[in-house]
Amino acid sequence: GESVGLHLPTLSVQEGDNSIINCAYSNSASDYFIWYKQESGKGPQFIIDIRSNMDKRQGQRVTVLLNKTVKHLSLQIAATQPGDSAVYFCAERIGNTPLVFGKGTRLSVIA
Amino acid sequence: NAGVTQTPKFQVLKTGQSMTLQCAQDMNHEYMSWYRQDPGMGLRLIHYSVGAGITDQGEVPNGYNVSRSTTEDFPLRLLSAAPSQTSVYFCASSYWPPYGYTFGSGTRLTVV
Repeated sequence: GESVGLHLPTLSVQEGDNSIINCAYSNSASDYFIWYKQESGKGPQFIIDIRSNMDKRQGQRVTVLLNKTVKHLSLQIAATQPGDSAVYFCAERIGNTPLVFGKGTRLSVIA
Repeated sequence: NAGVTQTPKFQVLKTGQSMTLQCAQDMNHEYMSWYRQDPGMGLRLIHYSVGAGITDQGEVPNGYNVSRSTTEDFPLRLLSAAPSQTSVYFCASSYWPPYGYTFGSGTRLTVV
């Protein structure tokens, strides 16, 4: 199956700064994307999603951007807080198939 | 709502033993799935089901069996445990087609 990759395995950000986590996907047929947050010892938690007919979607302090031309997805976290420290996964879906997850990026927030 | 409940949370098995990891959801989700998570490997799909009586293989199905006799339950059976099956196992459920999974809290399995 198609893989979902990440540009950076680890990211350190100063508290209060904005964080940007990137993800590359390889299948142009992918029609739906999700970002998950996983804290240590817990299961992944849904953050935000976006369909392929959109370029941008905003939630509370988070924004997902989709660039279909270069097959790139990003998660922006505004005013990063210590509680944002976690591993972040992107996932993609092609039609009626299970999600395919990337390997994850660890975000560390420096107080 | 309890969401997705996995039991046990921790388990140690000896090589060759068998066991069943339990997963139950109370959201009336059609879709249920099992993933394993290994360091640096992300989440890999083992088996999934889109409804009672329907199961299918994922990326890494060897050594595991599943069945779906009810909408609520989706147990994962390890037939003969091997050290390579040491991992953290997550159950996830959603409506179908999936627009976002709800995950359980995981089962940490060690095979010695």
